[in-house]
Amino acid sequence: KNQVEQSPQSLIILEGKNCTLQCNYTVSPFSNLRWYKQDTGRGPVSLTIMTFSENTKSNGRYTATLDADTKQSSLHITASQLSDSASYICVVSGGAGNMLTFGGGTRLMVKP
Amino acid sequence: DVKVTQSSRYLVKRTGEKVFLECVQDMDHENMFWYRQDPGLGLRLIYFSYDVKMKEKGDIPEGYSVSREKKERFSLILESASTNQTSMYLCASWGQPGGPLHFGNGTRLTVT
Repeated sequence: KNQVEQSPQSLIILEGKNCTLQCNYTVSPFSNLRWYKQDTGRGPVSLTIMTFSENTKSNGRYTATLDADTKQSSLHITASQLSDSASYICVVSGGAGNMLTFGGGTRLMVKP
Repeated sequence: DVKVTQSSRYLVKRTGEKVFLECVQDMDHENMFWYRQDPGLGLRLIYFSYDVKMKEKGDIPEGYSVSREKKERFSLILESASTNQTSMYLCASWGQPGGPLHFGNGTRLTVT
């Protein structure tokens, strides 16, 4: 069964600090991996999309890495800001019908 | 920018009522999706549509139906609302494989 597991479930950091969120998946065959940010009360917004051949992709202070061999991805947030407080969702595309499998998300809180 | 608009942010309905959730996208996307999002369960696919009048069941279609009479509009119908359908409902559209999903801001439905 295709699965996407994210860790930690929740995280609290101080403003200005860095953090790394993890995503492990079992989806096969793999097509691409996406990270989304979801602010409270809003729909998810795409941060990055990575294909098999890409192992790093940046979007401002967000850097996603992908290791397709170990089926792991991470999202690194540099110099966190209060506005980074949100849920971060890892989504893997692949498997039969190239469907999307969602992780349960990591809830990040950045405190002043 | 793609805009996905869900007609209601908050809805309160009674058990047994018929409920319509409307979603409209403005980018001529062929693929549209309905998800529900519950704490600890992540996003789960209810139904999706890859063309007008076409629909496919997702992972949890029971108790729901959908309608896609026009390309830009995808409606989710709860034939007889039940309390276990209290949830956040997210609509999304997708222009092409490999591209990002574009989400609406969600409808928080409470069934009492």
